[in-house]
Amino acid sequence: DAKTTQPNSMESNEEEPVHLPCNHSTISGTDYIHWYRQLPSQGPEYVIHGLTSNVNNRMASLAIAEDRKSSTLILHRATLRDAAVYYCILRGSNYQLIWGAGTKLIIKP
Amino acid sequence: DVKVTQSSRYLVKRTGEKVFLECVQDMDHENMFWYRQDPGLGLRLIYFSYDVKMKEKGDIPEGYSVSREKKERFSLILESASTNQTSMYLCASSLSPGKGETQYFGPGTRLLVL
Repeated sequence: DAKTTQPNSMESNEEEPVHLPCNHSTISGTDYIHWYRQLPSQGPEYVIHGLTSNVNNRMASLAIAEDRKSSTLILHRATLRDAAVYYCILRGSNYQLIWGAGTKLIIKP
Repeated sequence: DVKVTQSSRYLVKRTGEKVFLECVQDMDHENMFWYRQDPGLGLRLIYFSYDVKMKEKGDIPEGYSVSREKKERFSLILESASTNQTSMYLCASSLSPGKGETQYFGPGTRLLVL
């Protein structure tokens, strides 16, 4: 199963854009790229997912490299409530989500 | 909105006790999952179910069993709790098994085994 690599932590200032990178060099042609986040003391929540094209929703944007070996989650204007652990995930061979350790995003006021 | 509820937020049990963790979803989802989450290890899949009375082992099924008698309810059972099963347990559900599916999570149960 393909795996993802993310930085352990990142810091950003409030009300500035945040770019969270993810490498997935062994991704297969049919693997979707999913992003979830987990706020303190809560279960993970879905953020966005995509296959090949860039995707936008009310929470974030997902930019996928042309070769699909990397992707970037973009929070356009981070708030203190966006402080969380962000997980970049690929689908496993049994349609399971393969979770890594994620990136802890720290937002500075 | 999809709602996934778990029977307890916090639970303290003694070694050797039988422990039941209950999960209920209200959106008629086909699939349900049990994960455990430990610091630095991310989420690890214990068991999942694609239908009533159906179960599949995940990555770490040892020491656990599951039950799905009704579509909306998925139970995780620790037959004889041990201290290494102290963890955060997360239940999730999803509509269909496609690769683009979204999983919806409950708030988690933090279990301490003494």
